[in-house]
Amino acid sequence: DGGITQSPKYLFRKEGQNVTLSCEQNLNHDAMYWYRQDPGQGLRLIYYSQIVNDFQKGDIAEGYSVSREKKESFPLTVTSAQKNPTAFYLCASSILGGEAFFGQGTRLTVV
Amino acid sequence: AQTVTQSQPEMSVQEAETVTLSCTYDTSENNYYLFWYKQPPSRQMILVIRQEAYKQQNATENRFSVNFQKAAKSFSLKISDSQLGDTAMYFCAFMKHKSSGANSKLTFGKGITLSVRP
Repeated sequence: DGGITQSPKYLFRKEGQNVTLSCEQNLNHDAMYWYRQDPGQGLRLIYYSQIVNDFQKGDIAEGYSVSREKKESFPLTVTSAQKNPTAFYLCASSILGGEAFFGQGTRLTVV
Repeated sequence: AQTVTQSQPEMSVQEAETVTLSCTYDTSENNYYLFWYKQPPSRQMILVIRQEAYKQQNATENRFSVNFQKAAKSFSLKISDSQLGDTAMYFCAFMKHKSSGANSKLTFGKGITLSVRP
């Protein structure tokens, strides 16, 4: 089945650790996105990529990093520099100008 | 930069009635896309409806329709014959047209929580 897969569904991070959230799509979409969702804040864009080996900062990129080595994959690393990482993270993909398809999300909690 | 504003944080509607969710946006672009997404309690984001700015006709999808006012930069969603399964958060979103070149990021509003009462 075609779709977009995020893993893991739940992730726990200790203070000072880096963690990587996985996002894979088999829809042959050029564009991929990472959003953070907090209560009352809607979806805020962290990073997006429109082509392999290229990506752009979104509105809240500080403390995060990404890579786009393959068209299918767009992993997000939450670094220790991110002071408040507990949130729900959503990955999406689209053709340029098309609707975005979303993964099921990863809930990250700092313990 | 584009911004999307959803000023109503919550709304409630009686089952079978009609409700309208508001959205305004700000852009200097002439060609763009607008979307409404639904996020039910499962948190899976689902596309409800899409509008292309160069099309004057308002988009419709079954019980869902939009009122697109380009000059006013308004994009409201009307849900007719509301059902209990419509209970969800609804997000308005904006994307520049691909002809505008690179950096066609998808920008969301803060969302509105809709509750359908039985």
